Amino acid sequence: QSALTQPRSVSGSPGQSVTISCTGTGSDVGNYNYVSWYQQHPGKAPKLMIYDVTQRPSGVPDRFSGSKSGNTASLTISGLQAADEADYYCCSYAGSYTYVVFGGGTELTVL
Amino acid sequence: EEHLLESGGGLVQPGGSLRLSCAASGFTFSSHAMSWVRQTPGKGLEWVSAISGSGDSTFYADSVKGRFTISRDNSKNTLFLQMNSLRADDTAVFYCAKEVVAGVHFDSWGQGTLVTVSS
Repeated sequence: QSALTQPRSVSGSPGQSVTISCTGTGSDVGNYNYVSWYQQHPGKAPKLMIYDVTQRPSGVPDRFSGSKSGNTASLTISGLQAADEADYYCCSYAGSYTYVVFGGGTELTVL
Repeated sequence: EEHLLESGGGLVQPGGSLRLSCAASGFTFSSHAMSWVRQTPGKGLEWVSAISGSGDSTFYADSVKGRFTISRDNSKNTLFLQMNSLRADDTAVFYCAKEVVAGVHFDSWGQGTLVTVSS
């Protein structure tokens, strides 16, 4: 069982928007603005898509956005494209003892 | 361009040991904390261990505490993970990942090295 809870799968049609949730606790997501999101295509290494809840690294399209409310963070992908089909993982800092925790991952299918 | 290259994975028997390495290039290695993150085949990511840029501070997941040791050689831009008392549930692809200077997220990842623990 992963420390952060994500839906196992989500889907959407090209051009639509999808939102992936990531639920933690007051010890991780709810206590720190250090939530990040990673995209992973099959057989590839994870790629940073969002950091510090809402920030996008250079090169990541602005179709990807992040937010947080209480103990739940969210990743929204708008204008879905076929290339967005991948697994998405959230991650949160959880203090100096636990360090970081990941979600179980969400498989995004573009219909 | 930043680059991380893991090596040292392979097949090992339960109870055995293995040492992973991660060669870094394209950035000031000693300025960045580094982590090992593993992924069980077909499953999710699990943070394993982290080490500060100087090497003075180390952190471990409960699942590996007392069995794994993280270290680094800043003169050789290399990160290590010594894994002892390996178990079947340690079977995974192990990634090394670079942390940013300010914040706690991983902005560069290696391609991973597969560790298989089986008799």
